[in-house]
Amino acid sequence: EAQVTQNPRYLITVTGKKLTVTCSQNMNHEYMSWYRQDPGLGLRQIYYSMNVEVTDKGDVPEGYKVSRKEKRNFPLILESPSPNQTSLYFCASRRDQGRVVTEAFFGQGTRLTVV
Amino acid sequence: ELKVEQNPLFLSMQEGKNYTIYCNYSTTSDRLYWYRQDPGKSLESLFVLLSNGAVKQEGRLMASLDTKARLSTLHITAAVHDLSATYFCAGASDYQLIWGAGTKLIIKP
Repeated sequence: EAQVTQNPRYLITVTGKKLTVTCSQNMNHEYMSWYRQDPGLGLRQIYYSMNVEVTDKGDVPEGYKVSRKEKRNFPLILESPSPNQTSLYFCASRRDQGRVVTEAFFGQGTRLTVV
Repeated sequence: ELKVEQNPLFLSMQEGKNYTIYCNYSTTSDRLYWYRQDPGKSLESLFVLLSNGAVKQEGRLMASLDTKARLSTLHITAAVHDLSATYFCAGASDYQLIWGAGTKLIIKP
């Protein structure tokens, strides 16, 4: 089954304790991205990657890191989480067809609470 | 820079009624997507509209695209409770999906 898998689904952590949210896709998609979703603010892109070893900042990258060492995986790293990073996070992937922006497939989401 | 605006942002309606969600975008968009999100769940693709005049329908939902007006609509016919969700439209520009803020739709029995 084609899917994007995020882990964990729920996480409560304390301020300053490094954490990683994993994302894996089995569709051989080149493009992967991370979003955060907050009430009233819609979806905001954090980082994206157009292929292995190619990453770039989205609209709200501060406080986050990513890496793309393998095509299927795109982990999101919070080196020193703060309460304002409490949010619902989504990983998404899609095929890269040049300038054609193809359909995005989303993971199930990770609800992160930083206390 | 492409901007996408949806309205209304919140809609409460009775079962059996018809209504339309509007998605305006500011500059040329290669295509227009509609997604659905159930509370606390992931986003699911509903429709992709590729060209002017495109119309897609599935069940009680129908999406259309007018590229000259830079407007897409999502029309709900004879709403049922199961259609309660948040609906997002997204335009495409510079390799990116540009998202509207979402329309939270509540359908009451």
